Amino acid sequence: AQSVTQLDSQVPVFEEAPVELRCNYSSSVSVYLFWYVQYPNQGLQLLLKYLSGSTLVKGINGFEAEFNKSQTSFHLRKPSVHISDTAEYFCAVSAAGSGTYKYIFGTGTRLKVLA
Amino acid sequence: EAGVTQFPSHSVIEKGQTVTLRCDPISGHDNLYWYRRVMGKEIKFLLHFVKESKQDESGMPNNRFLAERTGGTYSTLKVQPAELEDSGVYFCASSHNYEQYFGPGTRLTVT
Repeated sequence: AQSVTQLDSQVPVFEEAPVELRCNYSSSVSVYLFWYVQYPNQGLQLLLKYLSGSTLVKGINGFEAEFNKSQTSFHLRKPSVHISDTAEYFCAVSAAGSGTYKYIFGTGTRLKVLA
Repeated sequence: EAGVTQFPSHSVIEKGQTVTLRCDPISGHDNLYWYRRVMGKEIKFLLHFVKESKQDESGMPNNRFLAERTGGTYSTLKVQPAELEDSGVYFCASSHNYEQYFGPGTRLTVT
């Protein structure tokens, strides 16, 4: 079984500052890792994913994440945030090669970008 | 290409009533998933269809929940009778493989 921990429920940050949203996971099998973003009144939108290969993954809107197998982490980063990045961010894992690919989500992190 | 759509966007019902949520996946996606987020908690998996067959329904809370996927196209999730703890946002997602595309969700409030 897999589990995901997002330690920060809320992260306030000033505009143009860097941000890191933390995600740790546990699994006894190989996993695929995802970050999704939910803007108000919208569905979840994929920011980026890690399947295999390079551990640094670049996504949309200037976000990137680094897969660290030894620390079982997949932290999301952006060097300079904008007001429009205010949203809720979800980290998710699925068991690689499981055939079902159901997601296990973290509890979400609300990013609030301040002017 | 149209995305995943869900209907209704909001539903307010009384305890004991029945509600049916609908999800239309992206055309051609064989995989369809239902998830639920209870306020303040994580988004939890409910079940997974491959075409019209239930591949994994391990997340369904109890037998008051019934999911169907007629002809491998749209899916419905019926809650009968609804209880207060069923309140939350119900998300549907569809996929070809490991990358899921989510709908906007249905916010269900049971009073």
